[in-house]
Formats: sequence, structure tokens, C-alpha cells
Amino acid sequence: DIQMTQSPSSLSASVGDRVTIACRASQSISPYLNWYQQKPGKAPKLLIYTASTLQGGVPSRFSGNGSGTDFTLTISSLQPEDFATYYCQQSYSTPLYTFGPGTKLEIK
Amino acid sequence: EVQLLESGGGLVQSGGSLRLSCAASGFTFTSYAMSWVRQAPGKGLEWISTISGSGGGTYYADSVKGRFSISRDNSKDTLSLQMNSLRAEDTAIYYCAKVRVLTAVRGGYFDYWGQGTLVIVSA
Repeated sequence: DIQMTQSPSSLSASVGDRVTIACRASQSISPYLNWYQQKPGKAPKLLIYTASTLQGGVPSRFSGNGSGTDFTLTISSLQPEDFATYYCQQSYSTPLYTFGPGTKLEIK
Repeated sequence: EVQLLESGGGLVQSGGSLRLSCAASGFTFTSYAMSWVRQAPGKGLEWISTISGSGGGTYYADSVKGRFSISRDNSKDTLSLQMNSLRAEDTAIYYCAKVRVLTAVRGGYFDYWGQGTLVIVSA
């Protein structure tokens, strides 16, 4: 089974900051890595698929990068609505999927 | 507009059964695989099951294999999850999600999610 880790597990930042969240897979999965955003009490929302493709309607301040086992999600300039928990997900082993443990992004 | 509406959650005793449903609209249901994902209170997301568009292929996480059964009724645009032998650790919000797949064997992603239904299993 493919295992996913994320770092950091939590992160404090200010509006306007640039932040990067890392995701690592236990084996090479490139480019089959997706990112989701979840706000409290809400369903997850797809942000990025296949490592770097922005889902329609997602602001361009979000970007994804990476290859092999190491991937990143970057928010170029944090907005108030971006404070949420972010999950990566591997889809290399489709139709079996694994999510990372999540990174909680909080307001400093 | 794509809509996914889960129902069937509730309180059940350990060892009991529950059947969840997800009513889909706004897309050609039979053309897409569907998945169930759960989230225990205060915890992360856990994929638990996927079914192909035709219903001919079903896949499960080890944590639910042999206890849960995914199915779909393409005539009614409805996805179901039959949950048997429930345990306290199955307590979670259960989400259904529409799956887009880039190739036959790689690259699925969940582009639409329902709002979830809460299942509580009492010990």
C-alpha cells in the first residue's frame, strides 16, 4: 500500500504570506497527486489534480508542483478564505486511494 | 449543476447494520465511478470504497473489506453503501464523491462531494 505523509501538520501564517505545504509518498506516484481544501463543517473541495493542474474555478494563487515521491502545494498570497485544512491524495493506485493526514493552516 | 445528497446516517449499536444512500443529479451518472470517503470526528479523510460506472467493479479499503458493500442503481442515479458488523471506530461523517479518472488504471480524482451523513456507532 502507498502511504502518504504531509508536513507540517499545522501552520500559522498571516494574510498576504506565501505558504508551502509538503506531501510525500512512500513510493513514486508521479504525477498522480491531488490536493483538497476542507473548511470546518464543510465537504472537501478539489483544488489541484495530477500534481499541478488547477481545478476549474480555483484561484490562481494556488499552485502545485513536484514529482516522484515529493510534492508541494503553494499559496502565493494568503487570503482570509484560505484558512482551512489541506489534504493530499495519491491516485497512482486508482481505484484504491490514500489521503495524507492533513495540514491545518491557521491565522497567525 | 452537479449535486450529491447523502442520507441514511444515524445512531446504531455496535454489531448493527446501516445503509447509506447518495442521490446524484446534474451529470450522466452511469459515466462516472463513485466513491465513499469518511472522516472520523476531528480526524482526517479516509477513502473506503469505489465502484465503477457500470457497477461491475468494486474496491474497498482493508478497514471495511468484508463488512461494507458498495452498489449503485444507474436507473435511479443512486449510490449506496451497506454497512454491516459496525464498530465504534466506524463512527464518522460519510461522504459520497464523484470520481473523474484520467486513464483506466491511474489518475482518479474526486471533483464533486456531497455534504456528508453522520454515522454514530455506540459501544
